[in-house]
Amino acid sequence: ETGVTQTPRHLVMGMTNKKSLKCEQHLGHNAMYWYKQSAKKPLELMFVYNFKEQTENNSVPSRFSPECPNSSHLFLHLHTLQPEDSALYLCASSQAPGGRGQETQYFGPGTRLLVL
Amino acid sequence: GENVEQHPSTLSVQEGDSAVIKCTYSDSASNYFPWYKQELGKRPQLIIDIRSNVGEKKDQRIAVTLNKTAKHFSLHITETQPEDSAVYFCAACQPPKTISNFGNEKLTFGTGTRLTIIP
Repeated sequence: ETGVTQTPRHLVMGMTNKKSLKCEQHLGHNAMYWYKQSAKKPLELMFVYNFKEQTENNSVPSRFSPECPNSSHLFLHLHTLQPEDSALYLCASSQAPGGRGQETQYFGPGTRLLVL
Repeated sequence: GENVEQHPSTLSVQEGDSAVIKCTYSDSASNYFPWYKQELGKRPQLIIDIRSNVGEKKDQRIAVTLNKTAKHFSLHITETQPEDSAVYFCAACQPPKTISNFGNEKLTFGTGTRLTIIP
């Protein structure tokens, strides 16, 4: 349960605010992910980092800016968000490169974001 | 890209009965299919997975079957218990397109099934 941690767990922000979400993994993994989970929608992959390098940007608006300073930490910087960005933001990690079981992703508890 | 469809979206089952959730995928190159369980207010957690070289896998009361030809896979829960109530997500993993992209496996998730076990 403590392999992947996220802070804060809840966040309320106005549309003009700037905030950051933090994710930390203690599993020795090399790949980290940001997902958005909205009501009645599938988990939407936002970004993938592999060995600190961004390898996937799933057409995410520029008001979301990821940062991966090392393989254990991942940030999501938020600015000028819209109310429709309110959702649960989940971080995940996996071992990389591939191999048996190494693509299994382990999720953090998420940050529930409300944009007013 | 990959497209994963999941059915049903909601499922209510009497305690002790079996529950079946089905998913289809579009990319025949997908080779890894995990199932996640997400309880209310908690993170998704892996409960079982299957690879494309296996047709069936079982772990106590849960089992997953895979039909590569038809591109569908299913989760089976037998002897359901109240603690099985949760949202279940299937996913399909596409291998990296190139060797240089090794490690960049991408999971595409289904829309989820809300399973309710009726005591």
